[in-house]
Amino acid sequence: GNSVTQMEGPVTLSEEAFLTINCTYTATGYPSLFWYVQYPGEGLQLLLKATKADDKGSNKGFEATYRKETTSFHLEKGSVQVSDSAVYFCALTLNYGQNFVFGPGTRLSVLP
Amino acid sequence: DGGITQSPKYLFRKEGQNVTLSCEQNLNHDAMYWYRQDPGQGLRLIYYSQIVNDFQKGDIAEGYSVSREKKESFPLTVTSAQKNPTAFYLCASSPGGAPMNIQYFGAGTRLSVL
Repeated sequence: GNSVTQMEGPVTLSEEAFLTINCTYTATGYPSLFWYVQYPGEGLQLLLKATKADDKGSNKGFEATYRKETTSFHLEKGSVQVSDSAVYFCALTLNYGQNFVFGPGTRLSVLP
Repeated sequence: DGGITQSPKYLFRKEGQNVTLSCEQNLNHDAMYWYRQDPGQGLRLIYYSQIVNDFQKGDIAEGYSVSREKKESFPLTVTSAQKNPTAFYLCASSPGGAPMNIQYFGAGTRLSVL
């Protein structure tokens, strides 16, 4: 089956620290990969995406590279801000895009 | 502005009562989805619909029902058969067809039991 595994949180960092949130996947086909972010009390917002191997998705200083050989899509940011505090979800969908499979989410807290 | 509107933002259910959560989108998307999110957990798919008048069960459909009479609307009913309905409910839509679909989410409805 298809699944997404994320590093367990919560992750607590000081402002301007480097962030990595690990994500690995298992898929029966060739998936597209996504990172979504959820701020407190809100729905999910698309943060970035990648559709094929070695693609790098980037947005708002966040980056993730689609690594087919390691089935990974780790999220990174060079310098986090307090406003980045949220829950981050890694997700995949297969090429026909019918259903998404979400990871369990990783809560990030950034302290001033 | 195009988007997905969920209402109400907060909803309370009494014992034995059915309640309906609204989800409306003006993005002209074919596909719509309902997810349940429990505290500290990821999203679980309840129902989804690829086209009008058709819908499929997700992973946790028991105790829920949906309809898709219009492209822009996909209401979710939480029935009295759902014994643990307290959760955050998220509606999403996507263009459908692929090869890559992005799901767009509403702001959610928080359901609690009185």
